[in-house]
Amino acid sequence: EAQVTQNPRYLITVTGKKLTVTCSQNMNHEYMSWYRQDPGLGLRQIYYSMNVEVTDKGDVPEGYKVSRKEKRNFPLILESPSPNQTSLYFCASSLGLAGVGNEQFFGPGTRLTVL
Amino acid sequence: AQKVTQAQTEISVVEKEDVTLDCVYETRDTTYYLFWYKQPPSGELVFLIRRNSFDEQNEISGRYSWNFQKSTSSFNFTITASQVVDSAVYFCALREWNRDDKIIFGKGTRLHILP
Repeated sequence: EAQVTQNPRYLITVTGKKLTVTCSQNMNHEYMSWYRQDPGLGLRQIYYSMNVEVTDKGDVPEGYKVSRKEKRNFPLILESPSPNQTSLYFCASSLGLAGVGNEQFFGPGTRLTVL
Repeated sequence: AQKVTQAQTEISVVEKEDVTLDCVYETRDTTYYLFWYKQPPSGELVFLIRRNSFDEQNEISGRYSWNFQKSTSSFNFTITASQVVDSAVYFCALREWNRDDKIIFGKGTRLHILP
């Protein structure tokens, strides 16, 4: 089954404790993105990647890191999480540039709470 | 700069009524893509439609229809004969051709269909 998976689905952590949210897709998609969803703010793009070893900042990259060492994986790293990073996070992928005949497939979301 | 405005934060209608969700966008590009996504209470994001700036034809898919008007920079979504299962948050999104995979989402409209 074609899908985007994220782990963990739920995470409660404390300020400053490094964490990684994994994202994996099995569709051989070139493009992957991370978003955060906050009440009243909709979805905001954190980072995106157009291919292996190619990443770029979205609208809210501060406090996050990403890497794309393999085509299928695009982990989101919070080196020193803070309470304002409490949010619902979505990973997404698409075959090519989103819109050029390709929709974005979204993962199920990761709900992160930073105490 | 890119911008997507969904002015309706929340809408409630009685089942079987028609309802239109508004989306107004701003872009300086002549080539761009517009999307609608649905987020049901279960939380996943479901792709509904993609439209490119060169295709102003309206689209109908069952009870769903979309009205794209470049003259008013709008891409409105209408649900005909609404059903309780249509209750969800709906997001409109924009991607400009020269912005790689960067996508801007509106803040979403929460739609309640009352039985």
